[in-house]
Amino acid sequence: DAGVIQSPRHEVTEMGQEVTLRCKPISGHDYLFWYRQTMMRGLELLIYFNNNVPIDDSGMPEDRFSAKMPNASFSTLKIQPSEPRDSAVYFCASSLAFSGPGELFFGEGSRLTVL
Amino acid sequence: KQEVTQIPAALSVPEGENLVLNCSFTDSAIYNLQWFRQDPGKGLTSLLLIQSSQREQTSGRLNASLDKSSGRSTLYIAASQPGDSATYLCAVTSGGSYIPTFGRGTSLIVHP
Repeated sequence: DAGVIQSPRHEVTEMGQEVTLRCKPISGHDYLFWYRQTMMRGLELLIYFNNNVPIDDSGMPEDRFSAKMPNASFSTLKIQPSEPRDSAVYFCASSLAFSGPGELFFGEGSRLTVL
Repeated sequence: KQEVTQIPAALSVPEGENLVLNCSFTDSAIYNLQWFRQDPGKGLTSLLLIQSSQREQTSGRLNASLDKSSGRSTLYIAASQPGDSATYLCAVTSGGSYIPTFGRGTSLIVHP
């Protein structure tokens, strides 16, 4: 398997623009997590899905952020409108389910810069 | 809410030393604990996963232990090498919520 695939790897945009980040989890994995990493705050969980259903979105900073998982092989994280403080690396991770999530596997991340 | 702390935040050692990295957590009702390595500009690479019923896991020169009662895990690196230089993070998945919470990491430099 190719692992967790994220796109784009780098995104530079201007304040107010819409940003869409994409993730393809490892085939067969039941859990999908979106994290944001900054120097100030480290890795923060934004939202996670189990079997394509959002389970906990309490980490989504505000209504400008939204995430979807229309099927088991694709998820998006959208920011609209973007702001400079959204600049960070956004990671997607997936895992197999046992009674809960197993070993986490991460993508290479999407580095977002909002000017 | 689970809180995860990693000490030290940074470590610089000469090649060949045996190292211990620490991870502590506040809520002992965990589902599992995972150690990762992150190289600059890269994603996180899984090193070891310890289920809540286990006490330790080993992979090559790495050994991770778990003591739920004291809320601690340690990552032991034997005979460190310059290629071990990276940031090491631990993630604690809480039982019930199944939310993995990360520490801030330990930045390790192993110099020749």
